[in-house]
Amino acid sequence: SAVISQKPSRDICQRGTSLTIQCQVDSQVTMMFWYRQQPGQSLTLIATANQGSEATYESGFVIDKFPISRPNLTFSTLTVSNMSPEDSSIYLCSVVTGVGPYGYTFGSGTRLTVV
Amino acid sequence: GEDVEQSLFLSVREGDSSVINCTYTDSSSTYLYWYKQEPGAGLQLLTYIFSNMDMKQDQRLTVLLNKKDKHLSLRIADTQTGDSAIYFCAEEVTGGFKTIFGAGTRLFVKA
Repeated sequence: SAVISQKPSRDICQRGTSLTIQCQVDSQVTMMFWYRQQPGQSLTLIATANQGSEATYESGFVIDKFPISRPNLTFSTLTVSNMSPEDSSIYLCSVVTGVGPYGYTFGSGTRLTVV
Repeated sequence: GEDVEQSLFLSVREGDSSVINCTYTDSSSTYLYWYKQEPGAGLQLLTYIFSNMDMKQDQRLTVLLNKKDKHLSLRIADTQTGDSAIYFCAEEVTGGFKTIFGAGTRLFVKA
């Protein structure tokens, strides 16, 4: 299965600033996904990023707040813009691997704390 | 809308069996998954079951699917301290490429 390198692993940021999270995959993948994981809550899909097209955002998430880049088939970034304490969470990137059951491979996550 | 529910905590003694339960809402789900998340790590796909199956066994793991009740369970035999983690149930909704996750069950294994 694919191996994903995600960074930074954690950060503490001031409110009003922005943080860009990077995900590098060791193989070419068509679709990359960005999730948010809040304590005691399920993973929430933020957006799906396809190479060469605009990301598709889920309800409740907008491009101005979470701009995504997907410059090639192995790399993607998610930016958390104009951060507030409510954005404190773990952010995970993932890719679909295998044929048939679309099990995901996840990066190790970025633990973001906004103060 | 789609929803996946699971209890938040489970505590077992080392050597006992653990059973983690999950309910889901999309009756047309094709695949259902169990993921494991260890501290500081991303989610790791443990096992999956196709919706036309009612049981799948993989070494110490047994997955049971009751499609009528939309109930999925993961049984871990001979639970070890290394099994302590958060276990996420997930369903793939119709059309693929969209997976709904539960909130995760934190499994504590007492030595």
